[in-house]
Formats: sequence, C-alpha cells, structure tokens
Amino acid sequence: ETGVTQSPTHLIKTRGQQVTLRCSSQSGHNTVSWYQQALGQGPQFIFQYYREEENGRGNFPPRFSGLQFPNYSSELNVNALELDDSALYLCASSSTGGRTGELFFGEGSRLTVL
Amino acid sequence: AQSVTQLDSQVPVFEEAPVELRCNYSSSVSVYLFWYVQYPNQGLQLLLKYLSGSTLVKGINGFEAEFNKSQTSFHLRKPSVHISDTAEYFCAVLEGAAGNKLTFGGGTRVLVKP
Repeated sequence: ETGVTQSPTHLIKTRGQQVTLRCSSQSGHNTVSWYQQALGQGPQFIFQYYREEENGRGNFPPRFSGLQFPNYSSELNVNALELDDSALYLCASSSTGGRTGELFFGEGSRLTVL
Repeated sequence: AQSVTQLDSQVPVFEEAPVELRCNYSSSVSVYLFWYVQYPNQGLQLLLKYLSGSTLVKGINGFEAEFNKSQTSFHLRKPSVHISDTAEYFCAVLEGAAGNKLTFGGGTRVLVKP
C-alpha cells in the first residue's frame, strides 16, 4: 500500500512568484486536505477536496487555490507569494470525506519565500 | 469557533519516567478528539482518537488519553517514555459529525533525556 507522497520536498521562491505543490493520496482514499504549518505552530486547515470538488475551506485568501484530479491526486497553488507563506505544507488523505478525522499525512513540502 | 489549547509548549522528561501532555478545547457542539505525533522532518501520525464510548482511549506506542467532557480536556499520558518518544505532539478537534477539518493545538515538544 502506497502512502501519501508530496513533491517537491523543499523549494525556495521569491515574493510575488507562484508555486504549485503536488500530492498523491494513499491508495483507496478519495479525500485530500491541505494544511499549512508555520514554524513552531500547529497545522492550519487550508481546504479539502472530495471527489474533485472543494469541500470546505479555512481562513486563507483566494490566492490559495487547489485542484483534485480523477485519480484523487491534488495540487495546491499559491499566487503572489508573501514572506508569511513560508511554511511546511502538509497534504493528508482520507476516506469518507475525512469525517472520522483519521488523516494520513505526507512528509510535507517546505516552502521558503525570500 | 472551536479552539485547542496545549498548555505546555515543551516538556523535558527523563527516560522511563511518566509524561502527561495537556490539551483543552472549546466548542459549542460535540467533538471528536485526536492526538497526532510528528517526528523530526516527518509528517503527522495518528496516535489515538476519541469518537464516542469509553472516555479512556488507548493508542499506539503505549500512549493513552482520557476525554473529560465537563473539563473539556483530552490529556495524553504514557507511564514510561523512551528516547524514541522525542517528538512534537499535537492535539486536534473535529467539530461534529459533519465536520471535515481538524483544528490543531500549537503542539507540545517532548524531549526525552537519558
């Protein structure tokens, strides 16, 4: 059984640029959630995708957007990067729309914005 | 809105000693409760969860937690820690049966000393 995989693992961008982060969900999971974890803090919910549609969104501006593909993999896109976007971005997959809270996390993509 | 407070940001503990990590939450509706562990440079792994039933929940690696509805707490305990338990621990809340996002606390860093 393949777990959740994320790419890239590390990347550096400058302010104003755009970034795309990718996530492959665990086999059999149809739900993908994205979380932002700033240094020294707990993860914060960005949004969730279920059956290719956004199924809930946290308190993040519209420049954070996402996609889910028919194979349930997902992308997180961030436009007009700001310094505060520097963080570990975690993808988590689950079944049943994530309602039991048992999320399976990838190791994250660490984004540094200079 | 729900919130999760982890009262200790860091907990140093000697090997084979017991440890307790405190977690309090606020919510106006019923909740599901979780503890996740994050080892260095890794994603989050589920330790245990409370959905319903017995308020004492046992998880992996010898951890257990007790749900106390009147005190809105979900403290995590382990009677004897190992060096390998050095990690960051996050308490999280899922609000209601229809909830689809986890709200995390700020984390507690456990450092096990020999």
